[in-house]
Amino acid sequence: DAKTTQPNSMESNEEEPVHLPCNHSTISGTDYIHWYRQLPSQGPEYVIHGLTSNVNNRMASLAIAEDRKSSTLILHRATLRDAAVYYCILRATSGTYKYIFGTGTRLKVLA
Amino acid sequence: GAGVSQSPRYKVAKRGQDVALRCDPISGHVSLFWYQQALGQGPEFLTYFQNEAQLDKSGLPSDRFFAERPEGSVSTLKIQRTQQEDSAVYLCASSLEYYNEQFFGPGTRLTVL
Repeated sequence: DAKTTQPNSMESNEEEPVHLPCNHSTISGTDYIHWYRQLPSQGPEYVIHGLTSNVNNRMASLAIAEDRKSSTLILHRATLRDAAVYYCILRATSGTYKYIFGTGTRLKVLA
Repeated sequence: GAGVSQSPRYKVAKRGQDVALRCDPISGHVSLFWYQQALGQGPEFLTYFQNEAQLDKSGLPSDRFFAERPEGSVSTLKIQRTQQEDSAVYLCASSLEYYNEQFFGPGTRLTVL
């Protein structure tokens, strides 16, 4: 199965940018990189996804390395509501429907 | 419109009992996923449905776990002869199609005593 590696935790000050890294060296050539976040006692919610080029939406930006073996989720101005566990997610292997979440990065935002 | 709903939200079972967990996906969503989330861990894939067809059940931990989606809408995850290690939050998610954004329900917290 594909594997993702993320730091267990990170801290950021409010109103400052946050860069959340993810390594996925076993990614296949055609699989998307997905990011979700999970607030306490809630189900995960979609943040962003991409294939090769950098992606932007209203929530965040996703920077994907040229070799696709790593990516970085960028929150441009962290707020207290962004405190959550952030998961970088891949499909386990081509030909299956299984997604791998990993252990995620717990983001703490300091006021 | 309504999001994904799950019931019950909390379930306490005695070891050996059978339980059934329900998921109501967003109307019109073809894809439906079940995940298991142990305390402090990320969600782990259990099974995937495309309409009524169960296309991947590779994540089901044992033959005590069974999932169905007979009419391509509501899905039920059944666990027979529950064990303490089955204690977890069970999450359901639906999406328009497999590669689209998944919308998650609030989960069912199962505690097996």
